[in-house]
Amino acid sequence: DGGITQSPKYLFRKEGQNVTLSCEQNLNHDAMYWYRQDPGQGLRLIYYSQIVNDFQKGDIAEGYSVSREKKESFPLTVTSAQKNPTAFYLCASSISPSSGRRASTQYFGPGTRLTVL
Amino acid sequence: AQSVTQPDIHITVSEGASLELRCNYSYGATPYLFWYVQSPGQGLQLLLKYFSGDTLVQGIKGFEAEFKRSQSSFNLRKPSVHWSDAAEYFCAVGASGTYKYIFGTGTRLKVLA
Repeated sequence: DGGITQSPKYLFRKEGQNVTLSCEQNLNHDAMYWYRQDPGQGLRLIYYSQIVNDFQKGDIAEGYSVSREKKESFPLTVTSAQKNPTAFYLCASSISPSSGRRASTQYFGPGTRLTVL
Repeated sequence: AQSVTQPDIHITVSEGASLELRCNYSYGATPYLFWYVQSPGQGLQLLLKYFSGDTLVQGIKGFEAEFKRSQSSFNLRKPSVHWSDAAEYFCAVGASGTYKYIFGTGTRLKVLA
């Protein structure tokens, strides 16, 4: 089955630690996204990537970093600079809007819940 | 400024009753509109989308939505709610050629037996 996987489902971080959240897709999508979800605030875009070896900051990139070395993978690192990292993190992917086809529909993974101890 | 408003934070309906979830948007370009559903602790599942054409869109699980350009609305409806529909529903707007979606803050649906 094609889809998006995220791991781990639950993650606990101590103060001062960096942690990395995994996101893998086998949908052959060019574009991938990371969102943060907090209660009552909807989804906020952290980073997105249009193509391998390229990515752009979203609305709340401070304290986060990403890489895109493979088309299938878009890991997110939550660094110690992120002061309030406790949240639900969602990864998504889509075809590239710049391909000239219709507006891209984003498909989401199951999410990772990160808790700071 | 571009925005999506879901005026109802919580909605409670009885099983078998009809449902309408409201979504209003402010977007300068021609919008592409989406409704997603999220069960607790899960990712978002696409219910339906509107790009162009017929303004009444059918989705999965018996949901439909109607795009009304004059009212800048894209309300989600279901004629008869099932207990399994209890979840949080998000409206989102995007545009051709852009990567960024704007999400509403969600409406949490509770279904009474």
